[in-house]
Amino acid sequence: SQQGEEDPQALSIQEGENATMNCSYKTSINNLQWYRQNSGRGLVHLILIRSNEREKHSGRLRVTLDTSKKSSSLLITASRAADTASYFCATGSTSGTYKYIFGTGTRLKVLA
Amino acid sequence: EAGVAQSPRYKIIEKRQSVAFWCNPISGHATLYWYQQILGQGPKLLIQFQNNGVVDDSQLPKDRFSAERLKGVDSTLKIQPAKLEDSAVYLCASSLQPGQSSGNTIYFGEGSWLTVV
Repeated sequence: SQQGEEDPQALSIQEGENATMNCSYKTSINNLQWYRQNSGRGLVHLILIRSNEREKHSGRLRVTLDTSKKSSSLLITASRAADTASYFCATGSTSGTYKYIFGTGTRLKVLA
Repeated sequence: EAGVAQSPRYKIIEKRQSVAFWCNPISGHATLYWYQQILGQGPKLLIQFQNNGVVDDSQLPKDRFSAERLKGVDSTLKIQPAKLEDSAVYLCASSLQPGQSSGNTIYFGEGSWLTVV
């Protein structure tokens, strides 16, 4: 079953614009991660935010986490054509076996 | 450092045939995962190993799917007999011990693309 739901499902923007995608989840988590997947490739880890953190930055990426709303957002600033990919959130569960559940993904297209 | 290796990259089989995928994780990674990703969807965890023991296989269709991790290193995922709905990418991934600060990043292979006709 999918834990996270990304929103929007698809996003198309111009190069240089900012891209924001959201992830909502259902159960308590230990951490939340964002991954990128280029077409036909495996997933690549982007950033991790722990449940006691509210915001984290890495280069052009900014992630926020609101545990009260069970939601996270990923902001990519000054987007480039190379950012075109699918983006997934993954939640680290705190109950039972420690495992990571991936969301449904946001397909981002950056137009040059 | 070498990444997660998977083979074959592509496989086309007829329904009711069998197929096996192989995975070699990053050296030293105790945890190995197999995910199934259907086109347009997110990866779904099929099975998670900790060394050579299974810690979660709740979403593995055990009537047709099997997986093993001999000696706590390489792993194989087998499907027998295959159905049309098994067409997907099978992603192998590995990590250090999950739940620990150094073990939370999952490293993925490029995937094995299966088409069942």
